[in-house]
Amino acid sequence: DGGITQSPKYLFRKEGQNVTLSCEQNLNHDAMYWYRQDPGQGLRLIYYSQIVNDFQKGDIAEGYSVSREKKESFPLTVTSAQKNPTAFYLCASSIGGHSSYEQYFGPGTRLTVT
Amino acid sequence: AQSVAQPEDQVNVAEGNPLTVKCTYSVSGNPYLFWYVQYPNRGLQFLLKYITGDNLVKGSYGFEAEFNKSQTSFHLKKPSALVSDSALYFCAVRDGPNDYKLSFGAGTTVTVRA
Repeated sequence: DGGITQSPKYLFRKEGQNVTLSCEQNLNHDAMYWYRQDPGQGLRLIYYSQIVNDFQKGDIAEGYSVSREKKESFPLTVTSAQKNPTAFYLCASSIGGHSSYEQYFGPGTRLTVT
Repeated sequence: AQSVAQPEDQVNVAEGNPLTVKCTYSVSGNPYLFWYVQYPNRGLQFLLKYITGDNLVKGSYGFEAEFNKSQTSFHLKKPSALVSDSALYFCAVRDGPNDYKLSFGAGTTVTVRA
């Protein structure tokens, strides 16, 4: 998990509340990504950012929002509009651009909404 | 659109026996292929990748994978499995240098019995 931190490890929220998940990297990577993991479905891309102050929707962006004000940070907000927010959320980073470099993943945040 | 299939939800092998985890992919251009491993409640760890060159690539922890263009496959192999190899394995594909997104398979749970 080296170089990417996600906090908190476990997060509990009541339905209807927005919640922000933290992701920080010290790898000097340009690109950062947010994925959602559900049992038996692999990882699905929520948002990604190739450069500061720019980001794009992934495959399942509805009900989520992000910001990229600093190279090191890419927080994800799970809004009350997300119908099924309970999941394991993974942040990743890579050198970025048109490169063949692999993505490095953080340890994840398990969000439970009741 | 790119996609990955991991046809086996689970693979069970005895310690010391060969381990194979299957992966097939679909992309419109040249595939960039990756294997990751995930231990319970952890992030993903990179194992190996194929970008170009030799079809047999070697990675971490004694794993290797063989790229087969005609069969659009990228199976992960280990000659002699260890109990500590028990984990969830993901294959991922990217559509060459012009696509920033990784598409993941649903994952294969490997159990190595002593």
